[in-house]
Order: sequence, then C-alpha cells, then structure tokens
Amino acid sequence: EPEVTQTPSHQVTQMGQEVILRCVPISNHLYFYWYRQILGQKVEFLVSFYNNEISEKSEIFDDQFSVERPDGSNFTLKIRSTKLEDSAMYFCASREPTNSNQPQHFGDGTRLSIL
Amino acid sequence: QKEVEQDPGPLSVPEGAIVSLNCTYSNSAFQYFMWYRQYSRKGPELLMYTYSSGNKEDGRFTAQVDKSSKYISLFIRDSQPSDSATYLCAMGMNSGYSTLTFGKGTMLLVSP
Repeated sequence: EPEVTQTPSHQVTQMGQEVILRCVPISNHLYFYWYRQILGQKVEFLVSFYNNEISEKSEIFDDQFSVERPDGSNFTLKIRSTKLEDSAMYFCASREPTNSNQPQHFGDGTRLSIL
Repeated sequence: QKEVEQDPGPLSVPEGAIVSLNCTYSNSAFQYFMWYRQYSRKGPELLMYTYSSGNKEDGRFTAQVDKSSKYISLFIRDSQPSDSATYLCAMGMNSGYSTLTFGKGTMLLVSP
C-alpha cells in the first residue's frame, strides 16, 4: 500500500541552526500538510500546500518556517533559526485531490530535538 | 472551551472486551470525522472516516457520529493486545483545504 515517507526519523540540532525536514507524499496526492506534536500534546496543524503555494497556515507557522516542493516528489519543511520550543514530532500528510473530505494519510514523522 | 475533547485515559481492558472511545466537539462547522491509531514513535494511521451522522462499520471497528450532540465514538469489538495504542479522533470542515483538528488521544491498553 502506498505510504508517506519522512526523513530523517530523528534530527538533533543546536538552537539557532537551520533544519530541513523531508517528506515524499503518496504519488497521486496533490494536497500536502505539515503537522507537529509536542510531547504529551495534541497533533497541531502547521500548514497546507496545494498547486505550489501555501493554501492555509496556522499561527504557529511564523516567518521562521517555510515549505517547498522542490521537485515532483519531495515536500520539505524548513525552520530557519530553531528554538528550544520547536522540539516536537513533525508529521507530513497528503490526500487525494478528488474532494475536500478525503482523508489525510500521515508519515511516521521526524523527531526534532533542539539542544 | 476546547474545540475537540477526548479523555486521555489510559483505558485498560482485558482481551476480547468491547472498547468504546469517544470525542466531543464544539464547532458545528466540522463535517467529517476520522479515527487514527498511533503506536509509540509512529505516525497516525487512518482507521475510519465518515462524513455523515450514523454508523460505519469496518471489521471489528464501528465509527458512530451524532452531529446533533456533537459526539463521535469508535467501538472496537473483540479487542486484541495488538490494539494497544493511542487512538486519535480528528475532524475537518467540508470546505477549503480541510485541515484537521485533533483530540488529544486516548491510550488503550488491552491485556492478554
């Protein structure tokens, strides 16, 4: 069964450094998402992406965050200058383009640890 | 008032029991509803999704939605130790780019 893949599984970074999290969505999906889950808390929406542009973003997704689809398969989340509070699991998700209530499929996440 | 409320548990049951997991929500704009299962250090795995009030069954799982009460449930019949995981409810609006709002998750422990 097709799946969303994320790399790396664990990223350790010094505070203030830039980090890029990578995702390969399911191949026929056209809507892409990033969510994060701080330890012990809810999964929270960060950003959605469609047709090579951001379609929605939450208040968490400030100027330190950016997303990109650099080629036909990858979807990346970049954090420019990481802070301690960015430590979390980051999940990529994708869904089919047929209609807005199609379910989202998630990857296994990247655990980001900021030191 | 939080948008989606879910009892975090843990909920401990013996193998073979019927499990009932629930979420309540406050925003009547939510139109479709999902249940995800999350094992430790893994991503949410889609179990069920529905966009109408009533019941939807898939194997040992039944999802129930009551939009008038803003209440959704997931029932697991004949629970197995492999069902031990955290169960997340999630919901979205039938417009825009359908971002999901999650509950905090209920940890389920099924003992052999």
